[in-house]
Amino acid sequence: DVKVTQSSRYLVKRTGEKVFLECVQDMDHENMFWYRQDPGLGLRLIYFSYDVKMKEKGDIPEGYSVSREKKERFSLILESASTNQTSMYLCASRLDRDGGETQYFGPGTRLLVL
Amino acid sequence: QKEVEQDPGPLSVPEGAIVSLNCTYSNSAFQYFMWYRQYSRKGPELLMYTYSSGNKEDGRFTAQVDKSSKYISLFIRDSQPSDSATYLCAMRDSGTYKYIFGTGTRLKVLA
Repeated sequence: DVKVTQSSRYLVKRTGEKVFLECVQDMDHENMFWYRQDPGLGLRLIYFSYDVKMKEKGDIPEGYSVSREKKERFSLILESASTNQTSMYLCASRLDRDGGETQYFGPGTRLLVL
Repeated sequence: QKEVEQDPGPLSVPEGAIVSLNCTYSNSAFQYFMWYRQYSRKGPELLMYTYSSGNKEDGRFTAQVDKSSKYISLFIRDSQPSDSATYLCAMRDSGTYKYIFGTGTRLKVLA
């Protein structure tokens, strides 16, 4: 069964802290994505990675960085957390080879920055 | 103007009703069209996928794409309380891995 896991369901951090959000998939997928979901704004793409060590900026990369050292793991880093980064963060993965469009999402991490 | 527009709802319907959910988009290069369902406190899951124009049916669900009008729809027949969720449309063009999502429509099916 397909599985995408995220390191935390809920996280509370202080302004200025460095925050790491981890995502792991067990499906050998090439593509991985980080989104944030906010009421009225929907899902917005922060970064995606089409393969190991490859990354591309999405629509809202400012204030974020990512790391993909291994195929199964895609990390989102908030270098210095700010209150406007309070949000639900969703990770997804996708198999590139067969041309299918399914993205498999993790359960999300709800981050509160105080 | 947003690339993808979706009515946020909420939409409340009685059990057994036919539900119509819609998205409009502005980018004529979009070729891949998806509908995701998201239950409360869960990640979205893919419900339907259509390539280019046309209809696709899967059980009680039908997805339609009208590229000439830049309009996509999801129909749910014989709606059930278990269909209560947020429905998100998503799309992309063939030259990118970047998916554009609508804001989602909240649906409530009343027993």
